[in-house]
Amino acid sequence: DTGVSQDPRHKITKRGQNVTFRCDPISEHNRLYWYRQTLGQGPEFLTYFQNEAQLEKSRLLSDRFSAERPKGSFSTLEIQRTEQGDSAMYLCASSLEQVYGRSGYNEKLFFGSGTQLSVL
Amino acid sequence: AQSVTQLGSHVSVSEGALVLLRCNYSSSVPPYLFWYVQYPNQGLQLLLKYTTGATLVKGINGFEAEFKKSETSFHLTKPSAHMSDAAEYFCAVSGRGGGADGLTFGKGTHLIIQP
Repeated sequence: DTGVSQDPRHKITKRGQNVTFRCDPISEHNRLYWYRQTLGQGPEFLTYFQNEAQLEKSRLLSDRFSAERPKGSFSTLEIQRTEQGDSAMYLCASSLEQVYGRSGYNEKLFFGSGTQLSVL
Repeated sequence: AQSVTQLGSHVSVSEGALVLLRCNYSSSVPPYLFWYVQYPNQGLQLLLKYTTGATLVKGINGFEAEFKKSETSFHLTKPSAHMSDAAEYFCAVSGRGGGADGLTFGKGTHLIIQP
């Protein structure tokens, strides 16, 4: 158990419905990431938060996807008007920002077990 | 921009044999490199990472990887495979940006351990 919780573990929905996933990061972690993983592929970066600020969202797959982290703690990922192509594992990860001598991203990510979405 | 290529979607080795999982990367800036492991029904876990300094990096569970800039490679090795090493392994790269880039993962290599 990495300490990152995701709910639900599995979600089955019909095409056109909206779905929302929740992620609870490790409590002291200020960064939170969402990734998507499809079968046979590695995780694909979607968006990330530093505290409550969403600092990168250009990689969200479409305007049907949105994420929030209202109080800098838990986060939600919503997919509106789901399509069959949205079927995938949605992963959340958190990390504690660490400042090193040169800029860059090099913290250790802690991943949750993911939410498996199936769109019928 | 960065990318990762993992050679071999499946690698099978005998228990006790050498494990070698290959990873080549492309990055326009000096990279940070990672190996993550995913066991069935579990989240990804960091095995090891290269940031700066020593190019041979040791990780958990006896794994190590060597950063070779001239070959743009970051291959993962373990001298003697154990049954518990059976899992999916992902190589990942990040560039600068303080997190804005996120990690770019390879497609993964499924490691099979034969008894």
